[in-house]
Amino acid sequence: EAQVTQNPRYLITVTGKKLTVTCSQNMNHEYMSWYRQDPGLGLRQIYYSMNVEVTDKGDVPEGYKVSRKEKRNFPLILESPSPNQTSLYFCASRGTEGYEQYFGPGTRLTVT
Amino acid sequence: GQNIDQPTEMTATEGAIVQINCTYQTSGFNGLFWYQQHAGEAPTFLSYNVLDGLEEKGRFSSFLSRSKGYSYLLLKELQMKDSASYLCAVRDSGGSYIPTFGRGTSLIVHP
Repeated sequence: EAQVTQNPRYLITVTGKKLTVTCSQNMNHEYMSWYRQDPGLGLRQIYYSMNVEVTDKGDVPEGYKVSRKEKRNFPLILESPSPNQTSLYFCASRGTEGYEQYFGPGTRLTVT
Repeated sequence: GQNIDQPTEMTATEGAIVQINCTYQTSGFNGLFWYQQHAGEAPTFLSYNVLDGLEEKGRFSSFLSRSKGYSYLLLKELQMKDSASYLCAVRDSGGSYIPTFGRGTSLIVHP
């Protein structure tokens, strides 16, 4: 089954404790991206990647890092999480041939 | 940069028709998307318009006017399960090919 998976789905952590949210897709897609979604603000792009070892900042990259060492994986790293990073996070992927983005199920992160 | 505007909330009655508007300003245009998102779930793709005109897909249709920077999503024969957020997203002609999303329109369908 073609899908985008994210782990964990839910995470409660404390300020300053490094964490990684994984994202994996099995569709051999080149493009991958991370969004955060907050009430009243909609989906905002954090980082995106156009292929292995090619990443770039989106609209709200501060406090986040990403890497793209393999085509299928695009982890989101929070080196020192803060409460303002409490949000719902979505990973998405798209191939070069199509235009539809496929979204993962989301990761609800709470930073206390 | 891009500026995408859509109403925050709309209500409609089961069986009726509703039109959700989206206006945008972008430095270069390379397609407009509509996604549906139920609360707490991932967005799911509804439609993609890159040329002017109406695209129909079952109960849902999407219209685009590039000269006016305007699109709408038309939902016919509304059902209770259509209660969701509807996200308008625009892709510009830059190199990222990743669309920017509007804040979404929350649609509430009443019996």
